[in-house]
Amino acid sequence: AQSVTQLDSQVPVFEEAPVELRCNYSSSVSVYLFWYVQYPNQGLQLLLKYLSGSTLVKGINGFEAEFNKSQTSFHLRKPSVHISDTAEYFCAVSDSGNTPLVFGKGTRLSVIA
Amino acid sequence: GAGVSQSPSNKVTEKGKDVELRCDPISGHTALYWYRQSLGQGLEFLIYFQGNSAPDKSGLPSDRFSAERTGGSVSTLTIQRTQQEDSAVYLCASSPLILSGNTIYFGEGSWLTVV
Repeated sequence: AQSVTQLDSQVPVFEEAPVELRCNYSSSVSVYLFWYVQYPNQGLQLLLKYLSGSTLVKGINGFEAEFNKSQTSFHLRKPSVHISDTAEYFCAVSDSGNTPLVFGKGTRLSVIA
Repeated sequence: GAGVSQSPSNKVTEKGKDVELRCDPISGHTALYWYRQSLGQGLEFLIYFQGNSAPDKSGLPSDRFSAERTGGSVSTLTIQRTQQEDSAVYLCASSPLILSGNTIYFGEGSWLTVV
């Protein structure tokens, strides 16, 4: 079964600084990878996903992630964060067997003015 | 509807009581999922439905938990004889099909507190 590790439970960062949220998954022949975001008091929404093709995936709100098969990673990055990016970010994975998404434990991003 | 709708949004119940949580998925979505979100534990998969069938119930924490879906639409998650460790946010999500790679759309959750 797939598993996801988000290495940082909390990441504080100053406004306009770059940020990277780390995600590693257990190896599989082929995987689909997702990042979801949960803003305070809201439901989860999709930021971006990797299915195939280019390993650099761009999502909403200026976020991007890079699929690295050799390192089984899918780290999320943004070059300059805003206060409004304060939220919890979840990495998720599914394999090609039509199975439900498996989520990591989440990383709480706090942007400091 | 426009999005996944869950009710109640908040529920406080006494230990030992039964609770029912309801999920109304996006119209036309055949796949429906229940997750549980506890503080510091991330999202824990509970069960999913493809139509009215639940192929995988292995995520349900105990036999006090059950779920059903009727008419390929609304689903109910039932927790019997609630315990304090059941306190969490229960999230429902839906997608057009179970196929891997599909985006799943979440409701805002039902916050359950067992006192």
